[in-house]
Amino acid sequence: EAQVTQNPRYLITVTGKKLTVTCSQNMNHEYMSWYRQDPGLGLRQIYYSMNVEVTDKGDVPEGYKVSRKEKRNFPLILESPSPNQTSLYFCASSLTGLWGTEAFFGQGTRLTVV
Amino acid sequence: AQTVTQSQPEMSVQEAETVTLSCTYDTSESDYYLFWYKQPPSRQMILVIRQEAYKQQNATENRFSVNFQKAAKSFSLKISDSQLGDAAMYFCAYRIMEYGNKLVFGAGTILRVKS
Repeated sequence: EAQVTQNPRYLITVTGKKLTVTCSQNMNHEYMSWYRQDPGLGLRQIYYSMNVEVTDKGDVPEGYKVSRKEKRNFPLILESPSPNQTSLYFCASSLTGLWGTEAFFGQGTRLTVV
Repeated sequence: AQTVTQSQPEMSVQEAETVTLSCTYDTSESDYYLFWYKQPPSRQMILVIRQEAYKQQNATENRFSVNFQKAAKSFSLKISDSQLGDAAMYFCAYRIMEYGNKLVFGAGTILRVKS
């Protein structure tokens, strides 16, 4: 089954404790990205990757890191999480970065930083 | 600035009736795609319908259709014969070639369906 898989789905952590949210897709997509969803703000892009080893900042990159060592995986790293990073996170992939291609989303990760 | 405005935080519709969700956007680009995504309580983001900006014909997908007014930068979603399963948060978004081809989302509209 074609899908984007995120783990974990729920995470509660403490301020400053490094964490990684994994994202994997099995569709051989070139383009992957991370979004965060906050009430009243919709989804905002954190980072994106056009292909392996090519990543760039989105609208809200502060406090996050990403890597794209393999085509299928695009982990999101929070080196020192803070309470303002409490949010719902989505990983998305699409065949290419062309603007008409459909984006497929993971199931979301609900992160709470206390 | 690239923005998407969904002016209705919440809407209600009676089962089998028709409802229209509004969306306006702001972009200086001439080529872009517009999307409506549905997010049910499961949190999954589901593509409902997409529209190419250079096509004047409004897109339709079964009970879902759009009213695309390019000059007015308006992209409303009409749901006909509403069903209980249509209850969800609906996001309007557009995607442009520049700025990393990101999707720019509105704040969302919660749709409640009454039986």
